Amino acid sequence: DGGITQSPKYLFRKEGQNVTLSCEQNLNHDAMYWYRQDPGQGLRLIYYSQIVNDFQKGDIAEGYSVSREKKESFPLTVTSAQKNPTAFYLCASSTLRQGGSGNQPQHFGDGTRLSIL
Amino acid sequence: AQSVTQPDIHITVSEGASLELRCNYSYGATPYLFWYVQSPGQGLQLLLKYFSGDTLVQGIKGFEAEFKRSQSSFNLRKPSVHWSDAAEYFCAVDFMDTGRRALTFGSGTRLQVQP
Repeated sequence: DGGITQSPKYLFRKEGQNVTLSCEQNLNHDAMYWYRQDPGQGLRLIYYSQIVNDFQKGDIAEGYSVSREKKESFPLTVTSAQKNPTAFYLCASSTLRQGGSGNQPQHFGDGTRLSIL
Repeated sequence: AQSVTQPDIHITVSEGASLELRCNYSYGATPYLFWYVQSPGQGLQLLLKYFSGDTLVQGIKGFEAEFKRSQSSFNLRKPSVHWSDAAEYFCAVDFMDTGRRALTFGSGTRLQVQP
């Protein structure tokens, strides 16, 4: 079945440590996204990528980094510069509407919950 | 600036009662509009979408939404709520011409269903 796989489901980070969250999709979608979800704040966009080897900062990119070396994969690294990393992280993907304006609906993974030790 | 507002943080309804969840946006044109549902600890599932045309759109699980241009609203409705509808609901908007090639989400409405 096609879908988005996020791993691990739970992740713990020590102070000063970088951790990487995995996101893989087999939907052949061009665009991929990372969101952070905190209680009562909805989803906030961290980074997104519309094509391999290119990505853009979202609303809260500080303390995070991404790469897009393959169409199927969009890993997110939470660096030690992110002072409050405890959150639920969601990865999504979508096709792009023809003509480049607007997006088709996004498909979501089941998320990774990151906590600080 | 573009924004999405879900004014109700938490709503409780009785099973079998009707439901309406509100969503308003701030934008000078007609955007693309979406409603998603999230069960605890899970990702988001698309309920329905509006791109153009008929302003009343039907979705999965018996949900519908109506786009009202004059009110900049896209409210989600269901005639009779089931206990399994308890979840968090997110309105999302694609402000297409701003160069932001991603959705903007509201803060969500948590639905509780009483027996």
